[in-house]
Amino acid sequence: DIQMTQSPSSLSASVGDRVTITCRASQSISNFLNWFQQKPGKAPKLLIYAASSLQSGVPSRFSGSGSGTDFTLTISSLQPEDFAAYYCQQTYSTPYTFGQGTKLEIK
Amino acid sequence: QVQLRQWGAGLLKPSETLSLTCAVNGGSFSGYYWTWIRQPPGKGLEWIGEKDHSGSTNYNPSLKSRVTISIDTSKSQFSLKLNSLTAADTAVYYCARGRMIRGVTMLDPWGQGTLVTVSS
Repeated sequence: DIQMTQSPSSLSASVGDRVTITCRASQSISNFLNWFQQKPGKAPKLLIYAASSLQSGVPSRFSGSGSGTDFTLTISSLQPEDFAAYYCQQTYSTPYTFGQGTKLEIK
Repeated sequence: QVQLRQWGAGLLKPSETLSLTCAVNGGSFSGYYWTWIRQPPGKGLEWIGEKDHSGSTNYNPSLKSRVTISIDTSKSQFSLKLNSLTAADTAVYYCARGRMIRGVTMLDPWGQGTLVTVSS
């Protein structure tokens, strides 16, 4: 299985901050990488697919980049509704695996 | 706008079989990968498996011997069965629609989730 490692595991930030979350794959996955946001008690929501494509309806302050083994999710200016958990997922090969998650908290 | 609505028993005993169903409202059934994912309380996400409308199936090897995903196109529903349950199977189970864009599979939308607790 392809292992996905996110860093950091948790992060404290303030409204208006620029935040970057990193995801590393144990082998090259090209651009087969998705990012999800999950709020407590809710299903994950797709933010970014194919490493850098913004899902319809997702605010443009979210962006993704990377290819191969190293990927980043950036939030350009944090809004109150962005405090949540974030997960990366590879869909290069089954079983599709997720990172362990990054919990973004209010400072 | 496609919506997924899921249901099933929430409290099961060890050795019993989990059975969940997900209804697809507002969209086509063909051309997609009908997927199940689970999340133990306070933990991360685990992909269980997928099935497409042609019957092609992929399962997580860690669960493959115990899991079955089936599709009922006449009802626009798909289902998950997981047998020989243990406490380690306690989790919120989600259904989701997988779609391939430019060769990359993306999961959207998701069902609301069902908490399944395995306890004697």
